Amino acid sequence: GEDVEQSLFLSVREGDSSVINCTYTDSSSTYLYWYKQEPGAGLQLLTYIFSNMDMKQDQRLTVLLNKKDKHLSLRIADTQTGDSAIYFCAERGDSTLTFGKGTMLLVSP
Amino acid sequence: GAGVSQSPSNKVTEKGKDVELRCDPISGHTALYWYRQSLGQGLEFLIYFQGNSAPDKSGLPSDRFSAERTGGSVSTLTIQRTQQEDSAVYLCASSFGQGAKRDTQYFGPGTRLTVL
Repeated sequence: GEDVEQSLFLSVREGDSSVINCTYTDSSSTYLYWYKQEPGAGLQLLTYIFSNMDMKQDQRLTVLLNKKDKHLSLRIADTQTGDSAIYFCAERGDSTLTFGKGTMLLVSP
Repeated sequence: GAGVSQSPSNKVTEKGKDVELRCDPISGHTALYWYRQSLGQGLEFLIYFQGNSAPDKSGLPSDRFSAERTGGSVSTLTIQRTQQEDSAVYLCASSFGQGAKRDTQYFGPGTRLTVL
């Protein structure tokens, strides 16, 4: 079945770049998503990438997709303390999303 | 415009009681999803509604869980005879449901359910 894996924790210093990695198994996935969840809040859509793209950039966010290796990454440039949150990778199946367990990003001053 | 709203934001109940959780999707969205997020776990898909089609119930963990969507808009998730393992955050999402890009899901803030 579909499975999405992420590392559980990442710690960076303010101003550094953060890279959150994700692997997925469904080769037929058409869209892949990154969501952000702040404490006590729901999921906020950050960005998505279509499977025929290699890269997508949106301000401080860069998404890289290696479809051959089924590897997705999210790079946050100039990471700020406000970026501290849990980041979820998700792949779109037939009708629903399959999520990873989330990566907790901790940004220290 | 308004996003997805859910109520209540927090619910504490006793084991064995029934609970109802409500979701108001974004206006114009035809697809509605329920997920469960347990401590230390990812998001677990529960049920999916698309327009007037029969819902996809493949993620419901037991027959104590049910959901309905009235008039193609508001949805209610009902958990009967709650158990302590039902304690979790229940998230609702909605999307346009047509085509890949328009199928982007937008999430509500969730309902935190605690079963004592």
